[in-house]
Amino acid sequence: DTGVSQNPRHKITKRGQNVTFRCDPISEHNRLYWYRQTLGQGPEFLTYFQNEAQLEKSRLLSDRFSAERPKGSFSTLEIQRTEQGDSAMYLCASSASLGGHTEAFFGQGTRLTVV
Amino acid sequence: DQQVKQNSPSLSVQEGRISILNCDYTNSMFDYFLWYKKYPAEGPTFLISISSIKDKNEDGRFTVFLNKSAKHLSLHIVPSQPGDSAVYFCAASDGNEKLTFGTGTRLTIIP
Repeated sequence: DTGVSQNPRHKITKRGQNVTFRCDPISEHNRLYWYRQTLGQGPEFLTYFQNEAQLEKSRLLSDRFSAERPKGSFSTLEIQRTEQGDSAMYLCASSASLGGHTEAFFGQGTRLTVV
Repeated sequence: DQQVKQNSPSLSVQEGRISILNCDYTNSMFDYFLWYKKYPAEGPTFLISISSIKDKNEDGRFTVFLNKSAKHLSLHIVPSQPGDSAVYFCAASDGNEKLTFGTGTRLTIIP
């Protein structure tokens, strides 16, 4: 399978616990994005990387959230001290930067439930 | 501040007829627009895109129209098929590659 892969698909955690999600982008894509989607809303941008550099972070990304892409390949998104409001679908996407606009391809997402 | 708006939460269309999904935007810096389709428990799947230098882009049964002066775009699906039943998201970019999404329109194709 050569699409964007996200693990785990589902995560249930207790409030206050830390969670980490992984995203493996399409191999030739140098841009990687994290989005969050809550019920009834469209995906909301969180952050993106070009290779290993994190180029932009949304103000939605509180200091409890951290994302890394250490070698410019896979990425991890960690949420510390989870809150019930963090319950959402976390989506990863990747694209190839070719000098113009290109479409982003999404993974199947990680659904987080904080109880 | 909802910069991309999809004012119809749902739409039902008979199989074989045309489906028209609408999207409005407020940010005049947006210069690239995309439509994504989403099934339950899956990530969005890219359908079709259009650059602001064009007013129409076609790909098989899917056509996107862009009216820059009205800040409006639409997705036409013809003929509509049962497999087209899904939530459709309009998204826009202002050149920095992050996408701003609308809230989606749930399309139901009636056999």
